[in-house]
Amino acid sequence: DTAVSQTPKYLVTQMGNDKSIKCEQNLGHDTMYWYKQDSKKFLKIMFSYNNKELIINETVPNRFSPKSPDKAHLNLHINSLELGDSAVYFCASSRAGGSGNTIYFGEGSWLTVV
Amino acid sequence: QKEVEQDPGPLSVPEGAIVSLNCTYSNSAFQYFMWYRQYSRKGPELLMYTYSSGNKEDGRFTAQVDKSSKYISLFIRDSQPSDSATYLCAMTDSGTYKYIFGTGTRLKVLA
Repeated sequence: DTAVSQTPKYLVTQMGNDKSIKCEQNLGHDTMYWYKQDSKKFLKIMFSYNNKELIINETVPNRFSPKSPDKAHLNLHINSLELGDSAVYFCASSRAGGSGNTIYFGEGSWLTVV
Repeated sequence: QKEVEQDPGPLSVPEGAIVSLNCTYSNSAFQYFMWYRQYSRKGPELLMYTYSSGNKEDGRFTAQVDKSSKYISLFIRDSQPSDSATYLCAMTDSGTYKYIFGTGTRLKVLA
């Protein structure tokens, strides 16, 4: 059973489209995250939710909107996609943040905007 | 200056070599230090976790933290081709949900 699963794994779409990436964790964790990894492998936090409440909202264009329907799910919706949005998006989860708990990552979603 | 600095490599070593991977950081509040391994087209997986200063050993892997120098290391003994991956350091402090990652070091172990 995959602990943190995200879909789709690969997504190729045209500029201007709207797309969503879904994430689910079955670890019973309270905190979920979205990270973006660029072509140089740099992982940058985008959002974090704790028990469905938004905790971290980094400087991300408001075209990106996370939604957490329950604490096991955190989806990412992206409006009006741009070429610069091409990257790998990782969902992750941990027990309550703020205590140095380990983050567990999903397998990633490779987004290519053409 | 980035909060966490890590040499991107690539680092190529022969099979059986001892590998040393390092990160430096600037935030003295960091207390929790992690090393992740990321294979191509995969998500990062936790390799080592250390709290505060000191050493931790797990099989062929040893993590070291020197908080006075703001320097952490990962040593891999008897390196294998299967160790070829990108290694990312990560750190955080208590009271924050932010984990700061290094840029990763790409390691190639040659058979």
